Amino acid sequence: KQEVTQIPAALSVPEGENLVLNCSFTDSAIYNLQWFRQDPGKGLTSLLLIQSSQREQTSGRLNASLDKSSGRSTLYIAASQPGDSATYLCAVRSRGGADGLTFGKGTHLIIQP
Amino acid sequence: EADIYQTPRYLVIGTGKKITLECSQTMGHDKMYWYQQDPGMELHLIHYSYGVNSTEKGDLSSESTVSRIRTEHFPLTLESARPSHTSQYLCASAPSGRHNEQFFGPGTRLTVL
Repeated sequence: KQEVTQIPAALSVPEGENLVLNCSFTDSAIYNLQWFRQDPGKGLTSLLLIQSSQREQTSGRLNASLDKSSGRSTLYIAASQPGDSATYLCAVRSRGGADGLTFGKGTHLIIQP
Repeated sequence: EADIYQTPRYLVIGTGKKITLECSQTMGHDKMYWYQQDPGMELHLIHYSYGVNSTEKGDLSSESTVSRIRTEHFPLTLESARPSHTSQYLCASAPSGRHNEQFFGPGTRLTVL
């Protein structure tokens, strides 16, 4: 059964810092990995999708990497801003089992002005 | 504008009531999903559908039921609500295929007294 772990559970940094969020998964048989942000009281916003054949994806100040063989992904946020404060979720689409995403518990990020 | 809609956004209801959570999408997607998120916990897949007249159970056992009579509509029903059903319910959709990105609605926060 696929399990997704995110470290750290919470992170608070001053504005302007570069930071890395970590995600690990137990079964490397995946189709893709998706990073989301979740704001309080709102749904999920998709940030980046990495296919299993890809090593990284970039969108603006965000860069996500994938090492499928070791079951790891990182989300790099450059020049953090207070508006980046949110919970960041990692989810994988596994090759077996139900046709949906398996999520981690998330990293709660606070960017101090 | 293509989007995913969920109603109601918030619902407080007494034990034993029948409720239906609505989800509709104008994305033109074939696949739709329901996830459940308890406070402070990860999202879990409870139902999904590949298209009209297709419904499948997800990883997490749920007393809820779903139907898919129209492509754009995927309602979730609880016949008799209980306090253990208190949670956030998130609807998502994706194009057909195993490598495609999932998009989420804003969620319904359900409280059963």
